[in-house]
Amino acid sequence: DTAVSQTPKYLVTQMGNDKSIKCEQNLGHDTMYWYKQDSKKFLKIMFSYNNKELIINETVPNRFSPKSPDKAHLNLHINSLELGDSAVYFCASSQSGTSNQPQHFGDGTRLSIL
Amino acid sequence: ELKVEQNPLFLSMQEGKNYTIYCNYSTTSDRLYWYRQDPGKSLESLFVLLSNGAVKQEGRLMASLDTKARLSTLHITAAVHDLSATYFCAVDIRAAGTYKYIFGTGTRLKVLA
Repeated sequence: DTAVSQTPKYLVTQMGNDKSIKCEQNLGHDTMYWYKQDSKKFLKIMFSYNNKELIINETVPNRFSPKSPDKAHLNLHINSLELGDSAVYFCASSQSGTSNQPQHFGDGTRLSIL
Repeated sequence: ELKVEQNPLFLSMQEGKNYTIYCNYSTTSDRLYWYRQDPGKSLESLFVLLSNGAVKQEGRLMASLDTKARLSTLHITAAVHDLSATYFCAVDIRAAGTYKYIFGTGTRLKVLA
């Protein structure tokens, strides 16, 4: 069973479109994250939710909106896609408040804007 | 501003050699993590270092943490081709109700046969 699963794995779309990426974890973790990895491999946190509450909201355009229907899911919706949004987006999860466990990452969603 | 810097950014080394990757961070943290990423793949956790002086070893990799110097090292012993990957450190800062998790710039390691 995949611990952190993201869909879709690849997303190719036109500028100006709206798209969503879904993430689900079956590890029982209470915290989930979205990261953006650019073409130079820099990883930047975008959002983090703990028990469905937003705890990290880095400076990202408000075209990006996370939604956490429950603690096992954190979806990312992107409006009006731009060329600069092309990147790999990783979802991750961890358990807070315990012995400082690492984050577990999904396989990534490669977003390409035409 | 919290910064996490790794050096070198790129490392090409021969099989059998030893080398160290450095991770410096700019503010106090007691928790440091190392991850590995293979090309086109996800990130895999390698080590979690939770206190000053912590040392962890797995196979040919050994990680250590000096919180006073705000420095972690990832030492590679007798490198083999399978270790070729990008290695990231990450720092976890929790203070006054805020939480930050910052990744280093990454070190792209290539081990030549």
